[in-house]
Amino acid sequence: GENVEQHPSTLSVQEGDSAVIKCTYSDSASNYFPWYKQELGKRPQLIIDIRSNVGEKKDQRIAVTLNKTAKHFSLHITETQPEDSAVYFCAVTTGNQFYFGTGTSLTVIP
Amino acid sequence: EAQVTQNPRYLITVTGKKLTVTCSQNMNHEYMSWYRQDPGLGLRQIYYSMNVEVTDKGDVPEGYKVSRKEKRNFPLILESPSPNQTSLYFCASSFARGPYEQYFGPGTRLTVT
Repeated sequence: GENVEQHPSTLSVQEGDSAVIKCTYSDSASNYFPWYKQELGKRPQLIIDIRSNVGEKKDQRIAVTLNKTAKHFSLHITETQPEDSAVYFCAVTTGNQFYFGTGTSLTVIP
Repeated sequence: EAQVTQNPRYLITVTGKKLTVTCSQNMNHEYMSWYRQDPGLGLRQIYYSMNVEVTDKGDVPEGYKVSRKEKRNFPLILESPSPNQTSLYFCASSFARGPYEQYFGPGTRLTVT
C-alpha cells in the first residue's frame, strides 16, 4: 500500500513567520493531495488541496506545492497567526483509499 | 445545514460487548469512510464505501464491520470490541470517490475496558 511520511512532527514559529510542512508518498499513481487542519478537540477540516496535474495552488496565506517526480508535496503558511496553531495532516489517494500522514503540531508564538 | 453526524459521541464499554457507531450525512454523497485516530499514528482508514452496497477494506479493517444499505448511512460495527480498539473514530463523506473534499463528522471517542 501507500506510504506517507510527514515532517516535522512539531513546529514552533513566531507570529508573522512562515511555516512549511512536507509530505512524501510512495505510489506514483496517487493523484489527489489534500491538507487538513485539526484544532484541539475538533474534527479535521480541509484547508487546501491539489490535484496531480497542477504544480502549485495558493489560497491567501496558504499554498501547496507538488513535485510528482520526487513524490513530495508541501504546505506553506505565510504570515502565521496564533489561530493557525493546530495539527495539520496531509493525505494522498489514487481515488479509492485515503492515506494520511502522522500530523504536524504547529504552534504560533505571539 | 449540510453535515455529517455520528452517534454516540462518547462510549465506554467492556471487552466483547457488541456495539454500533452510527454515521449519517445529508449531502447525498456517494463516498463514505471510517477512520480511527490514535496519537502519533494520524488518521487510518478502516473501511470505505463508494456507493450503496459497495464497501471495501481500508488499512486497518480487522475487528470492524460496516454496511451501506442506504446512501445516507454508514454504520461501523464492532462485533467483539477489544481494548486495542480504544480510539477516536471519525466518519467522513465526499461527493464521490476521487479528488473531492471529505467532510468529517464530530468524532466518537470509544473506550474499551
